[in-house]
Amino acid sequence: LAKTTQPISMDSYEGQEVNITCSHNNIATNDYITWYQQFPSQGPRFIIQGYKTKVTNEVASLFIPADRKSSTLSLPRVSLSDTAVYYCLVGESNYQLIWGAGTKLIIKP
Amino acid sequence: NAGVTQTPKFRILKIGQSMTLQCTQDMNHNYMYWYRQDPGMGLKLIYYSVGAGITDKGEVPNGYNVSRSTTEDFPLRLELAAPSQTSVYFCASSYQDRSNEKLFFGSGTQLSVL
Repeated sequence: LAKTTQPISMDSYEGQEVNITCSHNNIATNDYITWYQQFPSQGPRFIIQGYKTKVTNEVASLFIPADRKSSTLSLPRVSLSDTAVYYCLVGESNYQLIWGAGTKLIIKP
Repeated sequence: NAGVTQTPKFRILKIGQSMTLQCTQDMNHNYMYWYRQDPGMGLKLIYYSVGAGITDKGEVPNGYNVSRSTTEDFPLRLELAAPSQTSVYFCASSYQDRSNEKLFFGSGTQLSVL
């Protein structure tokens, strides 16, 4: 089962682009890379998912290099409401996913 | 579309009491999951179900029981509450178990055992 390593916390300012990098050195061939966001007192919410290269949706981009041993979640022009914990997850099946402590992102005015 | 609904939102139990945490989803998802989250930590899987009548243990099943009699409902039972079960409990569902299928989470139940 692939474990992930991501920074415990990050700070940024409104309007900036934020990049959170996740390391997953033992990712397997069939594993997907998924990011979830969690606000206090709420359940996690899916942000973005990818297998390789770059994926973009209406809220974020996900960059995955060719060796897939890391990934970077990019949040463009963050606002105060992006303050949350962000989880990087790697696995083939949802029941196998290992949830670490995530990255606590604090956006300042 | 309500998604995943959990009740109650908060509960305080005395040691040794029992209770059932309710979870229901209206997305016709086959897979349902129960997690617990301790302060500052990630989620730990308690039990999961691949469909009505089929359940399996996750990482931390001791002290809990589940049943899945319908596609929609997946209750979690605590038989003899202990202080170590003080946590926030989240129910989730997905259409399939493959990790490229999104997990949809409920809003959680905050449980304190005193």
